[in-house]
Amino acid sequence: DAGVTQSPTHLIKTRGQHVTLRCSPISGHKSVSWYQQVLGQGPQFIFQYYEKEERGRGNFPDRFSARQFPNYSSELNVNALLLGDSALYLCASSRLAEETQYFGPGTRLLVL
Amino acid sequence: AQSVTQLDSQVPVFEEAPVELRCNYSSSVSVYLFWYVQYPNQGLQLLLKYLSGSTLVKGINGFEAEFNKSQTSFHLRKPSVHISDTAEYFCAVRDSGRGGYNKLIFGAGTRLAVHP
Repeated sequence: DAGVTQSPTHLIKTRGQHVTLRCSPISGHKSVSWYQQVLGQGPQFIFQYYEKEERGRGNFPDRFSARQFPNYSSELNVNALLLGDSALYLCASSRLAEETQYFGPGTRLLVL
Repeated sequence: AQSVTQLDSQVPVFEEAPVELRCNYSSSVSVYLFWYVQYPNQGLQLLLKYLSGSTLVKGINGFEAEFNKSQTSFHLRKPSVHISDTAEYFCAVRDSGRGGYNKLIFGAGTRLAVHP
């Protein structure tokens, strides 16, 4: 079975722009979570979605938003990009919200 | 709030030597613990997890970890490392919030460097 997939793999944007990152969960998984990993640090939780509803949100500004589609794929949107948004964005899926999370390869975002 | 402390930022070791990567957590309730590995320019791969039951947990690639409730530790061990084990290792604890969500709280990571 295919694992979690994310697109694009790399992205370069300039300050003030908007970005959309995409994630497809493992088949049969209904929950998707997003994490931000800044260079040299552990991942930080951004959102969790389950059955198309937001279940939880981390300590991130309103510039960050997400949604989950009927096929359980998900998008992470970031508006008004700042230099500090440069990071690896990881998507993780789980069968249910409370179960073990499996990560995708990530999208590396560079904001110039 | 729960937290995870990885006591070593870097661990150098020679090939075929044993290794221990240390992790301490803070929690006063039931705890679910994980170790993930991140190879260069890749995402996170699950090595092993402790949810309940036996305190000695075996994972992939010959790794194992021991859950110690009294010392609030979950150290990762491997009896003989290979060059291919060179990677960043993250310890994580699951935290549950209102509304039924579950998030992982990660430590800062330990860079394992295996030398020939």
